Amino acid sequence: DVKVTQSSRYLVKRTGEKVFLECVQDMDHENMFWYRQDPGLGLRLIYFSYDVKMKEKGDIPEGYSVSREKKERFSLILESASTNQTSMYLCASRLAEKQFFGPGTRLTVL
Amino acid sequence: QQQVKQSPQSLIVQKGGISIINCAYENTAFDYFPWYQQFPGKGPALLIAIRPDVSEKKEGRFTISFNKSAKQFSLHIMDSQPGDSATYFCAVISAGNTPLVFGKGTRLSVIA
Repeated sequence: DVKVTQSSRYLVKRTGEKVFLECVQDMDHENMFWYRQDPGLGLRLIYFSYDVKMKEKGDIPEGYSVSREKKERFSLILESASTNQTSMYLCASRLAEKQFFGPGTRLTVL
Repeated sequence: QQQVKQSPQSLIVQKGGISIINCAYENTAFDYFPWYQQFPGKGPALLIAIRPDVSEKKEGRFTISFNKSAKQFSLHIMDSQPGDSATYFCAVISAGNTPLVFGKGTRLSVIA
């Protein structure tokens, strides 16, 4: 079974803090994705990566950056957290069309 | 511009009834149409998917109906159970290294 793990299930941070969300997949997938999920807005794509050291902006990249130094790991970085970044963050990896999600990190920014 | 429109936003179905969720898309280049199921506190999981060369795919109580000319596809859950209560997302994708495009989701509640 494909496993996508995220470093934290719940995270509470203060406004202005730098926040790192880590995602690891164990199936050697080239494609990895970061989404945020908010009520009524569905899944919104923040950034994605098709290879190591490669990144592409999704629909809502403002306020975020990413890092992919190794194939299995894709990190989402909030350079200076703000209250409007309080959300559920979902990581995913994909092989061909089949996409697998992690359990999510619920981030609260106070 | 929303590339895939999902309806309804929420749905309440009696136990044993049929749940139907619909999606419509614009781009005829899409060639893979999955549905994802998400339980509270969990990430979405692939439930069932279809390609445009068939009009229907069935897996257990879950069926996808696909209408290529109308650019619509739907998820039918037969004999709906309380355990089916979840949020369902449709998605579309075209060939190549492009991201999945998701609908906004439908919250299904199956009541006894």
